Amino acid sequence: EVQQLEPGGHLVQRGGSLRLSCAAPAFTFAINAVNWVRQSPGKGLEWVSGIVLSGGESFYADSVKGRFTISRDSSMNTIYLQMTSLRVEDTALYYCATLYNTGWYLDDWGQGTLVTVSS
Amino acid sequence: DIQLTQSPSFLSASVGDRVTITCRASQGINNHLAWYQREPGKAPKLLIYGTSTLQSGVSSRFSGSGSGTEFTLTISSLQPEDFATYYCQQLNDYPLTFGGGTKVQIK
Repeated sequence: EVQQLEPGGHLVQRGGSLRLSCAAPAFTFAINAVNWVRQSPGKGLEWVSGIVLSGGESFYADSVKGRFTISRDSSMNTIYLQMTSLRVEDTALYYCATLYNTGWYLDDWGQGTLVTVSS
Repeated sequence: DIQLTQSPSFLSASVGDRVTITCRASQGINNHLAWYQREPGKAPKLLIYGTSTLQSGVSSRFSGSGSGTEFTLTISSLQPEDFATYYCQQLNDYPLTFGGGTKVQIK
């Protein structure tokens, strides 16, 4: 299981910012990327963002593009999701998970971090 | 972006029933399709990847099949612990989209 470094819940005002952290998995050739996935109340799973560990290339869902930034700190072995201009609809349980390229799938999910954006 | 249409959204079934969930992709995904089980209060659990490969430790009553743009998850004999929500996900290209989910309820 990937460790989300700030479990529990966060309450942020609309328009505010928050940074989530996830301990990067130990390097193996089987691991391609770390991704963030969220689930808003009453809705399904939504992929949010991903970062390729070897080259640092990053990807975003249209719903967060321009507002969220994923990054890695190799020295700290940490993956960050910087969230800015937060909206009420960003309220969700956020998970980080490892993308394996041995079969292409997400596994080693974190325990989840609840983000609540108030109006 | 690749869209995944999952059906049905809800299904009611009894213990012992055979259950099939379908996932249709808007374009080919090279069989890079995974299925997850989501129970309340728990992180998603990987069941199947690469369309049909059973993840280690997952019961063999789960199976996946398909090709091209149509894929299925089958539970051969539904057990009490299988009542949950199931999602398909394509991992062929970013954004890594999920299907809308199928909630399996007790009849």
